[in-house]
Amino acid sequence: DAGITQSPRHKVTETGTPVTLRCHQTENHRYMYWYRQDPGHGLRLIHYSYGVKDTDKGEVSDGYSVSRSKTEDFLLTLESATSSQTSVYFCAISNALEGQGGEQYFGPGTRLTVT
Amino acid sequence: DQQVKQNSPSLSVQEGRISILNCDYTNSMFDYFLWYKKYPAEGPTFLISISSIKDKNEDGRFTVFLNKSAKHLSLHIVPSQPGDSAVYFCAAHSAYNTDKLIFGTGTRLQVFP
Repeated sequence: DAGITQSPRHKVTETGTPVTLRCHQTENHRYMYWYRQDPGHGLRLIHYSYGVKDTDKGEVSDGYSVSRSKTEDFLLTLESATSSQTSVYFCAISNALEGQGGEQYFGPGTRLTVT
Repeated sequence: DQQVKQNSPSLSVQEGRISILNCDYTNSMFDYFLWYKKYPAEGPTFLISISSIKDKNEDGRFTVFLNKSAKHLSLHIVPSQPGDSAVYFCAAHSAYNTDKLIFGTGTRLQVFP
């Protein structure tokens, strides 16, 4: 396994509360990603980072923010959790280079339930 | 608009037989394709990939075929084993956008004895 950890692994929170998920890597990869996985939707990109303090939105970014202050850490924050954000969240890393294969390596996931 | 489609949500195959998982794409700029395997309660793991300059890539029991004219790729698993039971995702990116993968919705494969 690539050195990727996610914390917490499970969380139950109430609607309207802020939640922060953490992704930590030991591979020194440039790119880091946050996805959510939902039945019938596969893996959808929320936000990604291409370097320290450099981030961009994915296809389902509304209601989420991210920060990357160090190469190894990428935080995903739900500003005010809603029931529609109940999902499994995966972090991924990559050293994608233009013109080469863009394999991404995934963490174990965080199961978030918003009640 | 789903650029990568896996139209079969599930597939059931007997142990020892061939499993064929299919994936279609709509973006003609995609030039690199990947398959991931996912067990319950784990993250997806990279399985095999293929560049658009090839039409076949083989790795042990796993072979991926690419038909660019049809915008179709398939993953063949021969022989199928019970441990292959998992959800399989296909993904793609373009040469100028290697940092972003587009994933299909996944196919759940069950291999029974």
